[in-house]
Amino acid sequence: QKEVEQNSGPLSVPEGAIASLNCTYSDRVSQSFFWYRQYSGKSPELIMSIYSNGDKEDGRFTAQLNKASQYVSLLIRDSQPSDSATYLCAVMNRDDKIIFGKGTRLHILP
Amino acid sequence: DAGVIQSPRHEVTEMGQEVTLRCKPISGHDYLFWYRQTMMRGLELLIYFNNNVPIDDSGMPEDRFSAKMPNASFSTLKIQPSEPRDSAVYFCASTPSDSGNGYTFGSGTRLTVV
Repeated sequence: QKEVEQNSGPLSVPEGAIASLNCTYSDRVSQSFFWYRQYSGKSPELIMSIYSNGDKEDGRFTAQLNKASQYVSLLIRDSQPSDSATYLCAVMNRDDKIIFGKGTRLHILP
Repeated sequence: DAGVIQSPRHEVTEMGQEVTLRCKPISGHDYLFWYRQTMMRGLELLIYFNNNVPIDDSGMPEDRFSAKMPNASFSTLKIQPSEPRDSAVYFCASTPSDSGNGYTFGSGTRLTVV
């Protein structure tokens, strides 16, 4: 089993709708979780971090964590064309290394 | 702050040649990481340093790869000899002592070995 798994997409969402991105991880002792956004040809950019079960909101972004299910998600409300990018889920494992999923490509349809 | 600075941005080299990638972390960041990104394998951690000391190089694919951090403001990743399968984007990232805050990435070096 891969350490961090994501659906590669592409996920197509109409402008103004909610985009929902999901991620599962294998290491039960993981404590820190991150979402990075990567535009084509650019470097990953940290957009959200979450450490406790539940929801964490920042503007249009909400990260959700369920440690019992080993599941992390990112919701983007009022999706904009500028949100079109690849979203990388990242998990800090028991060795304090951040392991990345392969990413989900999100396409916001104007 | 200028962020994490990598050079060169693009490198095209012939198989068998030596390639050196460079990175300047954010001042004050104690941790430095080298990642490689390909379509097939995603972002892979190659090696990381803490206070200039290599801590974990288990991700380095083979002996052709080596990395150094002679001081707090400079690191290199060297491939010798290079092979076409080394073609990828190589990212450097840094973070303060509390790595639970996530990493800041440089712009990356796109390496093409022909």
